Amino acid sequence: SQTIHQWPATLVQPVGSPLSLECTVEGTSNPNLYWYRQAAGRGLQLLFYSVGIGQISSEVPQNLSASRPQDRQFILSSKKLLLSDSGFYLCAWATGQNIQYFGAGTRLSVL
Amino acid sequence: AQTVTQSQPEMSVQEAETVTLSCTYDTSENNYYLFWYKQPPSRQMILVIRQEAYKQQNATENRFSVNFQKAAKSFSLKISDSQLGDTAMYFCAFRRLTSNTGKLIFGQGTTLQVKP
Repeated sequence: SQTIHQWPATLVQPVGSPLSLECTVEGTSNPNLYWYRQAAGRGLQLLFYSVGIGQISSEVPQNLSASRPQDRQFILSSKKLLLSDSGFYLCAWATGQNIQYFGAGTRLSVL
Repeated sequence: AQTVTQSQPEMSVQEAETVTLSCTYDTSENNYYLFWYKQPPSRQMILVIRQEAYKQQNATENRFSVNFQKAAKSFSLKISDSQLGDTAMYFCAFRRLTSNTGKLIFGQGTTLQVKP
């Protein structure tokens, strides 16, 4: 069966520090991958999506970037975090079943 | 562009009662998918139910069912026999049928509190 792993679960980082959040999927090949951000009590904002290795599409211009170095690995990065980068980050995957499955999320606090 | 609107920011229901969450969407597409996701306090997003727009029959999943009104662009979620574990934020989402990216467009969510 397919599983999605996302880590770390919680992260506290100072302003100006780098960021790397990782997401991996098991049990499937060539999935579409997604990064979302969710502010407290709010909806999901799609940040990036990828339909294949090295293919990244950005939805919202911002301080973050994404990479897909392997078929089932999706990384969210920043060179210098801002206070406004705080939030809950969710990774998701989907295949031809047209359903997105989500990871457990990372709670990021930038102080 | 497609939009999804959930007009009820918060709702509450007594345990064992029935509650309906509203969702409307705007699209010029004829074929698409609609979803309801649940986000409990753990914040894990869980798929509740899915509806294909080309199917007239409303989707049902145990205590969860939808009322899909294509002409009205309405997609409400009915939860029967509400349980304490149904307490969560519920999101309605839209996906184009022909999208090769599988992008979902989410509503802003409805927080549901099930009271004992």
